[in-house]
Amino acid sequence: AQTVTQSQPEMSVQEAETVTLSCTYDTSESDYYLFWYKQPPSRQMILVIRQEAYKQQNATENRFSVNFQKAAKSFSLKISDSQLGDAAMYFCAYGGATNKLIFGTGTLLAVQP
Amino acid sequence: EPEVTQTPSHQVTQMGQEVILRCVPISNHLYFYWYRQILGQKVEFLVSFYNNEISEKSEIFDDQFSVERPDGSNFTLKIRSTKLEDSAMYFCASSEGGGVATEAFFGQGTRLTVV
Repeated sequence: AQTVTQSQPEMSVQEAETVTLSCTYDTSESDYYLFWYKQPPSRQMILVIRQEAYKQQNATENRFSVNFQKAAKSFSLKISDSQLGDAAMYFCAYGGATNKLIFGTGTLLAVQP
Repeated sequence: EPEVTQTPSHQVTQMGQEVILRCVPISNHLYFYWYRQILGQKVEFLVSFYNNEISEKSEIFDDQFSVERPDGSNFTLKIRSTKLEDSAMYFCASSEGGGVATEAFFGQGTRLTVV
């Protein structure tokens, strides 16, 4: 069975600085997607970025980028130029052969002004 | 921008009562999902639904749970006899296609409190 592990329950970053959130996963599947979701205090789940396992190039979306290390089964999220609005819970998620998502336990990110 | 809408935003119910959580998926989407998040814990998959039938369900989704698409626009989750441990945030999601290559859009969630 697939698993997703986020080892950082909480992180803090100064406004305008860069922070990296860690995620590791385990799977025997060869084709899959990895996702980072943001959950602000409103509790809605918002897709931040996604990566297809077959693509070697790391995905980027504006200030958000990932470091995808397939052999190490690692998928970290880098947030550059952090803003107060980035404060939220961040979930790493795995999607494989079935159409369900498997989520990690989340990292609560605080942004200090 | 189209969005997934869930009602109510908060539901309080007595233990043993039946509850129905409602969702209106994005109109051209064909795949529908329910996820659950117990407070402070991770989001867990409950069930996926396509072509008017369940395509996959988790161990959590036991006989107390059922899903239905009663009228072509709504997608409902029914809990037949609620237990205290059913208290959680319930998220509905929908996607245009099957498989995780297609982005799933989440609703804002329904907070269910069982007392």
